[in-house]
Amino acid sequence: GNSVTQMEGPVTLSEEAFLTINCTYTATGYPSLFWYVQYPGEGLQLLLKATKADDKGSNKGFEATYRKETTSFHLEKGSVQVSDSAVYFCALSGQFQGAQKLVFGQGTRLTINP
Amino acid sequence: GAVVSQHPSRVICKSGTSVKIECRSLDFQATTMFWYRQFPKQSLMLMATSNEGSKATYEQGVEKDKFLINHASLTLSTLTVTSAHPEDSSFYICSARDPSGGRYNEQFFGPGTRLTVL
Repeated sequence: GNSVTQMEGPVTLSEEAFLTINCTYTATGYPSLFWYVQYPGEGLQLLLKATKADDKGSNKGFEATYRKETTSFHLEKGSVQVSDSAVYFCALSGQFQGAQKLVFGQGTRLTINP
Repeated sequence: GAVVSQHPSRVICKSGTSVKIECRSLDFQATTMFWYRQFPKQSLMLMATSNEGSKATYEQGVEKDKFLINHASLTLSTLTVTSAHPEDSSFYICSARDPSGGRYNEQFFGPGTRLTVL
């Protein structure tokens, strides 16, 4: 079945540092890929998405590129801020049966220190 | 963006009682809603898919008689945890799919409900 694997956290960085959170997936066909963010005490929010190979999703300075050859969708940001502290989830929805369902990675807790 | 609410945000109950959690889409009609369970420091596990006007589809291993789902209107789905036990304590999150988004539609998530069973 479909699955998503994220780098384990927690991740702690200083403000303005470069961020990478690795995400790899297993799926048949061409899934859609997502990054969700969960701020403390809030629900999940879609951060960015990519729906086909080589697409780059971007939002709020974050980027991720859909790499079919390496089955990856790593999240990057060039200069993080304290307000980026949150839990980040990589997810996919399959191309075939059950395409509405989201399969989540285990989440990565990010803490940015001033 | 679309807003999804959940009520209550926190509930504490005694073992053996039933608890109902509501999930509402506030500014759009959601033909499909999803219920997830999130354990501490773990990912979200899909429990069931709720379609308006029909029976919910449960994921493998989820007891349908234990977790009753009702999706009676296009803006409301409810999850009832029946005869709750301490092992049912968890963070329950719902999401609603905006049908206007086509195949790559976005799910909008509620803020979650923390259930503690004593």
